[in-house]
Amino acid sequence: EFVLTQSPGTLSLSPGEEATLSCRVSQSLSSSYLAWYQQRPGQAPRLLIYAASNRATGIPDRFSGSGSGTDFTLTISRLEPEDFAVYYCQQNGRSPPYTFGQGTKLEIK
Amino acid sequence: EVQLVESGGGLVKPGGSLRLSCAASGFTFNDHSMNWVRQAPGKGLEWVASISRSGSDIYYADSVKGRFTISRDNAENSLYLQMNSLRAEDTAVYYCARDLGMYYTSGRLGYWGQGSLVTVSS
Repeated sequence: EFVLTQSPGTLSLSPGEEATLSCRVSQSLSSSYLAWYQQRPGQAPRLLIYAASNRATGIPDRFSGSGSGTDFTLTISRLEPEDFAVYYCQQNGRSPPYTFGQGTKLEIK
Repeated sequence: EVQLVESGGGLVKPGGSLRLSCAASGFTFNDHSMNWVRQAPGKGLEWVASISRSGSDIYYADSVKGRFTISRDNAENSLYLQMNSLRAEDTAVYYCARDLGMYYTSGRLGYWGQGSLVTVSS
């Protein structure tokens, strides 16, 4: 079974800076099966990126995903105030169970 | 506009039962697999269960297998989660989530409801 480990646990940055979030998978994962979600306080999660690098509908191009194998990255360039939230990676393989990472909290410095 | 509205949450004693519902609108319900995902207070996301378009393929997390039952009524555009033998550790917000794929299961959770809080406590 896949285990997803996200780092750092908390990332403190200022608006306008660039954020780099990491997701490490316990075994090699096809990039087709890696997604990223954003969860703002008090809200439901929202799909940001699927298949490692494809933005979901309506997601700004300052969000980008990359990676392969066991190491995946979510990059947010030019941070906006609304980007400060918790981010989760997820593996969505050929069939469930679908596993989430423990989350990275992006907070305002 | 895709809408998913959960209901049925509340306070229940350990060992008790509860049934969650998710009313779907704004899309053709039987074109998509559906899921339940939960989030304990202050914790991360945990996938709970999935059901295919017809209901023929069903999967559960080990933590709920044998206690929870996912089902759907395509005529009513509704998803359900029957929760039995509830434990304190089942306390969470339960989200209904629609698969992004049409006609196939992708595991990408493209749309989410606002969640329904289930509290298991004596």
